[in-house]
Parts: sequence; structure tokens; C-alpha cells
Amino acid sequence: KNEVEQSPQNLTAQEGEFITINCSYSVGISALHWLQQHPGGGIVSLFMLSSGKKKHGRLIATINIQEKHSSLHITASHPRDSAVYICAVCLNYGGSQGNLIFGKGTKLSVKP
Amino acid sequence: EAGVAQSPRYKIIEKRQSVAFWCNPISGHATLYWYQQILGQGPKLLIQFQNNGVVDDSQLPKDRFSAERLKGVDSTLKIQPAKLEDSAVYLCASSFYGEETQYFGPGTRLLVL
Repeated sequence: KNEVEQSPQNLTAQEGEFITINCSYSVGISALHWLQQHPGGGIVSLFMLSSGKKKHGRLIATINIQEKHSSLHITASHPRDSAVYICAVCLNYGGSQGNLIFGKGTKLSVKP
Repeated sequence: EAGVAQSPRYKIIEKRQSVAFWCNPISGHATLYWYQQILGQGPKLLIQFQNNGVVDDSQLPKDRFSAERLKGVDSTLKIQPAKLEDSAVYLCASSFYGEETQYFGPGTRLLVL
């Protein structure tokens, strides 16, 4: 079983729809990252969370430490939001402190 | 502020050949990471440097992969000899010492034929 699980793996939406991507993890973490990767492009950090909720423009990220679960929401989705969204957790134990473990990503395609 | 630089962006080689990738982190970032991202998967950590010392290389296939960061700034990752399964994107990331936010480079896409 992977330590970081994302769902769904693929998501197709119509422009304007509200989108939710989920991430569950099974290890002790100090923080959780949501990252965006465009085709052929590098990875851009969207959020780093250790508790509660953060908002940036049309993006909202939440985390529930007790349930080991995080969600990324996109309101009023747009075709330019099409990308792979990756959840990564930062380990908080032993020699691996600070290391990131990545989910497999959710490929989002927003149709006009 | 200049981001993490990587070169080359693309590389195609035949199996059993050697290849090297270069990364220049953001100025002042003491921590440097090399990741391997196979198509359809999330990145996997290969090696982590703190200045010029190795912090974690537990997932680096040391029989064929090597990495160095001699002066604690830029870094090279080498594969010798390459195998078909090494086809992937190799990502370099850096961060300030003790900080959790990592900044990623554009990656080097390697295809081994």
C-alpha cells in the first residue's frame, strides 16, 4: 500500500465546475504540500499545510491531521487549470525528517 | 529571483551508455534533492545533500547511479551504464536549510532506447 494515496487518478471537468482532489496518508508528517505539474513543465508549489485551511485565489487546501486527509479544491475551474496535481507529505521522524513522499498525482483536464 | 536550473532539458541515449545531469539550485539554498519521476508516478527521492554532504541516498541505485555536490552549490547526477527502466524525468529541487518548502527545477527528460 502506498503511503500517500490520491483520488481520483484522472478527472475531467467542464469549465466553471467546482473540483475536489483528495489525498490520504498513513505516515507521521510535519507538513503536506500540494504541487502542480504542467505537461513538459516543472513542479510548482501551491500550498504547504500543517493544519486547517489555506486559500489562494480560486484554490483552497484543507487538512485534517487526525484523519490524515487533505483536499484541494478549485472553484470556477478554467482550462488553464489543466495539469497534474500532486500531494506530497513531509516526514517528521528519524533520519528521514524533511523528506517528501509523493502521491502519484491526479491528472485534471478542464474542457471549455 | 532565479529559479532552480537544470540541463539538459532532454536527453536520448542507448542502453549501456552513460549520461550526466546538472543542477544549479537557488542561491543560498543549502539543501539539494534529486528525484526520479517515472511516467504516471509521483517523484521518488534519489539523494539529498546538505551543503556538500549526503543526508539520504537510501533509494539511489548505487551500482549505476552517482551524484556529487563538491562545492556545496551545483550538483551532477550520473547514470553509468543506463538501463531502459531509467527512462524518466529527473527533477532537482532545493530549499533553505531547515525549511520544508522545496523549489523544483524544470527537470531533465531522459529516454533510454
